[in-house]
Amino acid sequence: AAGVIQSPRHLIKEKRETATLKCYPIPRHDTVYWYQQGPGQDPQFLISFYEKMQSDKGSIPDRFSAQQFSDYHSELNMSSLELGDSALYFCASSPGSGRTEAFFGQGTRLTVV
Amino acid sequence: AQTVTQSQPEMSVQEAETVTLSCTYDTSESDYYLFWYKQPPSRQMILVIRQEAYKQQNATENRFSVNFQKAAKSFSLKISDSQLGDAAMYFCAYRSAVTGYALNFGKGTSLLVTP
Repeated sequence: AAGVIQSPRHLIKEKRETATLKCYPIPRHDTVYWYQQGPGQDPQFLISFYEKMQSDKGSIPDRFSAQQFSDYHSELNMSSLELGDSALYFCASSPGSGRTEAFFGQGTRLTVV
Repeated sequence: AQTVTQSQPEMSVQEAETVTLSCTYDTSESDYYLFWYKQPPSRQMILVIRQEAYKQQNATENRFSVNFQKAAKSFSLKISDSQLGDAAMYFCAYRSAVTGYALNFGKGTSLLVTP
């Protein structure tokens, strides 16, 4: 079965650079969530989209932005990167308005040096 | 805001034995979902089991079962016949069915399985 695809899997950036993470949800899933998991931490919700509109916002820094495109894939744009942004970034998708479980991608490991 | 508490940072179990991981949560909502996710060393987040708050019957998935006590706001995970592949970090998570659908995770319990 098709799963959530995230790219790239690994990314190394320098401080103050910009990074773009991509997420391709499971076919026919119209809801996408982004989570950030720091080392030894639990995942923290950043932002979500339903039918290409932002549906919920969590602890996403102002330096980050995201959107969902017409084909339902989503991109997380991160600017002015800081060392503390080094983390595993998960995308998850679900069908409908969220009454079913979300399925996670394998994550993008971002390292800021 | 809802909070999820996992009071056991680490647990250990012998192969073939049974272990129970604890989770409590705080909410004023009556309609919500609870989940257990497993995160092995690969860091993939894998759904283990889910429970709808309106269902009184405890969810079961093969060797995994939950003890859902709604009044006590408790949601423990029981793993029977533990296997080496069960070793992982286990996260309990809450999701509202009313206001936003993002998952709110506990801090996790690291499960070690010994031969």
